[in-house]
Amino acid sequence: DAGVIQSPRHEVTEMGQEVTLRCKPISGHNSLFWYRQTMMRGLELLIYFNNNVPIDDSGMPEDRFSAKMPNASFSTLKIQPSEPRDSAVYFCASSLDRGQVSPLHFGNGTRLTVT
Amino acid sequence: QKEVEQNSGPLSVPEGAIASLNCTYSDRGSQSFFWYRQYSGKSPELIMFIYSNGDKEDGRFTAQLNKASQYVSLLIRDSQPSDSATYLCAVFPPARQLTFGSGTQLTVLP
Repeated sequence: DAGVIQSPRHEVTEMGQEVTLRCKPISGHNSLFWYRQTMMRGLELLIYFNNNVPIDDSGMPEDRFSAKMPNASFSTLKIQPSEPRDSAVYFCASSLDRGQVSPLHFGNGTRLTVT
Repeated sequence: QKEVEQNSGPLSVPEGAIASLNCTYSDRGSQSFFWYRQYSGKSPELIMFIYSNGDKEDGRFTAQLNKASQYVSLLIRDSQPSDSATYLCAVFPPARQLTFGSGTQLTVLP
């Protein structure tokens, strides 16, 4: 079991540029979550997919953020255009269910810095 | 009021002591409660879950739940320096997704 795989580990970009974060969930998990973590706001849920379908995107901060899950083994989170306030660690997590019974397995995260 | 509240700490305890971490939640209908541990620079990992009022023990860890008072706590007995981490309380509100507190930073002093 390779765990949840995220790429890149670090991303430094200039304000206004497009950023794409990638995630490969654990095989067999049907739920995928994108979280953002900052010192000020803690761990915030951005979007939750079940069986590749977005179920809850109420945490997506604004239209600059978009997420896709074209198949069971791949998801992307895109920020366009990026802003300095988007700087954070972005985690992808997967689970056998919504996380109500089965634990969330987190990837190593992508540390995003927007200058 | 935040949905899940924790004291941010830092909380320092000497090695061998009991560390007590507390969490309160706002939605009385919440049914599932979790404690995740996050080492500095790493991702969160689940260490305990509890669904029913009372205590649940797993090795050195004990989770306590009081739904009437809307609080959940984590006790770590015989604390070790390797327990030094941030502990995140997470709650499952009805019809919502897993919601995390901001975490309590624990330092166990050798």
